[in-house]
Amino acid sequence: EPEVTQTPSHQVTQMGQEVILRCVPISNHLYFYWYRQILGQKVEFLVSFYNNEISEKSEIFDDQFSVERPDGSNFTLKIRSTKLEDSAMYFCASSEGQGPSELFFGEGSRLTVL
Amino acid sequence: SQQGEEDPQALSIQEGENATMNCSYKTSINNLQWYRQNSGRGLVHLILIRSNEREKHSGRLRVTLDTSKKSSSLLITASRAADTASYFCATVLNTGGFKTIFGAGTRLFVKA
Repeated sequence: EPEVTQTPSHQVTQMGQEVILRCVPISNHLYFYWYRQILGQKVEFLVSFYNNEISEKSEIFDDQFSVERPDGSNFTLKIRSTKLEDSAMYFCASSEGQGPSELFFGEGSRLTVL
Repeated sequence: SQQGEEDPQALSIQEGENATMNCSYKTSINNLQWYRQNSGRGLVHLILIRSNEREKHSGRLRVTLDTSKKSSSLLITASRAADTASYFCATVLNTGGFKTIFGAGTRLFVKA
């Protein structure tokens, strides 16, 4: 069964460093998303991406964050100058269609900022 | 407050009992979805109910939707220990782009 894969599963970084989280969405999906879940809290929307551009982003997704689909298969989230409060699980998701479609999630990348 | 809010926040039941979780939302919707998350894992889609549907079944899951009250419920019948997880409702906001917003979730614990 096709699945969304994310790497790394866990990354530890020092405050101020840059981090890149990688995702391989399901191959025939066109819409891609990043969500964040701070330990024990709700799943927060960060950004949606379609046709090589951001279609929607939340107030969390400020200039510190960027997304890219560099090669037609990977979908990356870059976090510049990480802060302690960036420590969270980051989930990538993809969907076939736009809008109210089922989202398929990866298993997440746990980011720990020290 | 939030688009999707579940209650209760936590629910503990015995295996074999039914579990009911509720979700309220604020804006009009095209559909409402329920997802499940095992601890530390990704979310898994369970069921989608469209705004013109009132009830939907999938195996041991039953979802209802009341658009007049802007609420939905998820019923898991004959619960099993393996149903222990967090359950989230999700709605899609159309604000130019689309974003699926999740509620805070209900943590279900099924005791064997």
